[in-house]
Formats: sequence, C-alpha cells, structure tokens
Amino acid sequence: GENVEQHPSTLSVQEGDSAVIKCTYSDSASNYFPWYKQELGKRPQLIIDIRSNVGEKKDQRIAVTLNKTAKHFSLHITETQPEDSAVYFCAASTHWAGGTSYGKLTFGQGTILTVHP
Amino acid sequence: DAGITQSPRYKITETGRQVTLMCHQTWSHSYMFWYRQDLGHGLRLIYYSAAADITDKGEVPDGYVVSRSKTENFPLTLESATRSQTSVYFCASRNYNEQFFGPGTRLTVL
Repeated sequence: GENVEQHPSTLSVQEGDSAVIKCTYSDSASNYFPWYKQELGKRPQLIIDIRSNVGEKKDQRIAVTLNKTAKHFSLHITETQPEDSAVYFCAASTHWAGGTSYGKLTFGQGTILTVHP
Repeated sequence: DAGITQSPRYKITETGRQVTLMCHQTWSHSYMFWYRQDLGHGLRLIYYSAAADITDKGEVPDGYVVSRSKTENFPLTLESATRSQTSVYFCASRNYNEQFFGPGTRLTVL
C-alpha cells in the first residue's frame, strides 16, 4: 500500500518568514495530494490540494508543488503569521480513475509549525 | 462542517467494555472513514466504507467493528476496549473533491 513520509516533524519560524514542509510518497499510481491544517483541539481542515496533472498550485500565501518523477510534493507558506501555527498533514491517494472517485487517503505523520511573533 | 457530527465528544470507559462511537453526515456522501489520531502517528485509517453495506479494513482495524446500514451513519464499535485504544477518533466523509472531518471523539480507556 501507499506510504507517505513527511518532514520535518517540527518547524519553528519567525513571523514573516517562509515555511516549507515536504512529503514523499511510494505509490506511483497516486494522483491526488491534499494538505490539511489542524489547529489545537480542532478537526483537520483542507487548505489546498493538487492533482497529478499540474506541477504547482497557489492560493494567496499558500502554494503546493508536485514532482511526480521524484514522488514528492511540498507545501510552501509565505509571509507566515502567528495564526498559521498548527499541525499540517500531507496526504496521498489514487483519487480519480476513469471518472470514478475511489481510494483512501494515506496521511503523513504531521508537522507542528510554530510561528513566533 | 455542521454536516458531519460525532457523538459522544468525550468518553471514559474501562478495559473490557464495549463502546460505540457514532458518526452522522447530512451530505449523502458515499465514502465515510474512521481514523484514530495519536501523537507521533498522525491519522491512521481504521475502517472505511464506499457505500451503505460496503465496508473495508484500513491500516489498523484490529479490535474495531463497523457497520453502515444507512448512507448517513457509520458507527464504530470497540468490542472489548483496551488501554491502547485510548485516542482521538475522527470520522470523515468525502465527495469527489474534498474530505471533511467530524469534530472528533476523545476516548479514554482506563
């Protein structure tokens, strides 16, 4: 089955700096890569996702890049703010095939991001 | 997010007892999932369901049982709770574009 490795496990930055979290996956059939943010005591929530037919996707201060050849994808947060402090999870799945949605998400172990004011 | 709920939100039980965690979604999503979250392990899939009456094991199914007689409900049962099952349990449901998580149930097994 799929295996997703996430690094680093903890990341500490100063407000205004950039933060980068990296994930690698093992199953070359995986084609959907979401990122979730989980604030303390809350549920994980989707912040951005990317499908295998694109190499990069941006949403304001957040971007995700995908390298299918190397089987890794990364989350980039620019101009970090204290409210970005949370646990971030990457995930991978074979989300789409032949117009049918299937496949379960396999999550990385999570990265605790702390943004210091 | 009010579309997927879990109950109870907190539960304390004793070793050997049977416990059922409830999950309900109002979106009629086909797929539903149960995860447990423990420090250092991220989110691990216990069981999932592609539709009513269709369920399958995830990464860590031992000691758990699920059923799905109706699309909107996906209960998780610990048949004989053990201390190692102390965890936070998240239910989730998915449409084609996004997976939504419930608020979680914090279970403590004494």
